[in-house]
Amino acid sequence: IQMTQSPSSLSASVGDRVTITCQATQDINNYLNWYQQKSGKAPRLLIYDASNLEPGVPSRFSGSGSGTDFTLTISSLQPEDFATYYCQQYDDLMLTFGGGTKVEIK
Amino acid sequence: QAQLVESGGGVVQPGRSLTLSCAASGFIFSSHAMHWVRQAPGKGLEWVAVIWYDGSNKYYEDSVKGRFTISRDNAKNTLYLQMNSLRVDDTAVYYCARGRLAGDYVGAFEIWGQGTMVTVSS
Repeated sequence: IQMTQSPSSLSASVGDRVTITCQATQDINNYLNWYQQKSGKAPRLLIYDASNLEPGVPSRFSGSGSGTDFTLTISSLQPEDFATYYCQQYDDLMLTFGGGTKVEIK
Repeated sequence: QAQLVESGGGVVQPGRSLTLSCAASGFIFSSHAMHWVRQAPGKGLEWVAVIWYDGSNKYYEDSVKGRFTISRDNAKNTLYLQMNSLRVDDTAVYYCARGRLAGDYVGAFEIWGQGTMVTVSS
C-alpha cells in the first residue's frame, strides 16, 4: 500500500490553520497514524487510528478521514509545531509511511 | 517510564554484516510487538521489520528480506537486527519502536529510541 502526502512542504505563520492530507492506494479502514518529527529527533506519535489523539498531545492537533483519504489539521499553528509530519498505515503488515510534509515558518 | 536505547551502529563496508541492539526498560517488553524503522539522511521514514511479542511472527520490508533478521530475547529485554550483505542504500539512522498496545497489535509506534546511525561505505 502506497501512501501519498500533500503538500510535501508548506510555509505558514503562527496562528494559521494548517491541513495536511494523506491518500492510500487502497482502503485502509481507519488504520492510519500521524507522527511529528523535529530535526535530529525521533518521531512522536500524534494521532492513532485516524482520529484519536495520543495522550499528552495538544488538542490543536486533530485527525479525520476513512477509507483512502485522511487529514491532519493543526487548528492554530504554534512555534513548536514547525516540523515534518508523516502518516503511516497498518492495514497491511507491510507497514508504510507517507513521504512527509515539512511545515516551515513563513 | 518506558525507554528504548539502540546501540551497535557504525561504519561498515558494502557486503559486510552488522548487528543492532535495542535495550528496553520501563515496560513489560515481552508483552509488545517491536519494530525497526530507518531513515536515510535527508529522507523520510521507512519501516523495516516487526516481530511479535513472543517472537512467533516476523515480517520484513521487501528490500531487506533475506538479508536482515529481526529477533528478540525477552529474558534480556532486548531487540536485535542482524543485517547481512549490507548495501550503500542501507545507510540510515535505525530506530527501534514499540507498538502502542500489547499483544498482537502492530499499529502505531508509541515509544521510539533515539536511533543509531549505520553508514555503509567503502
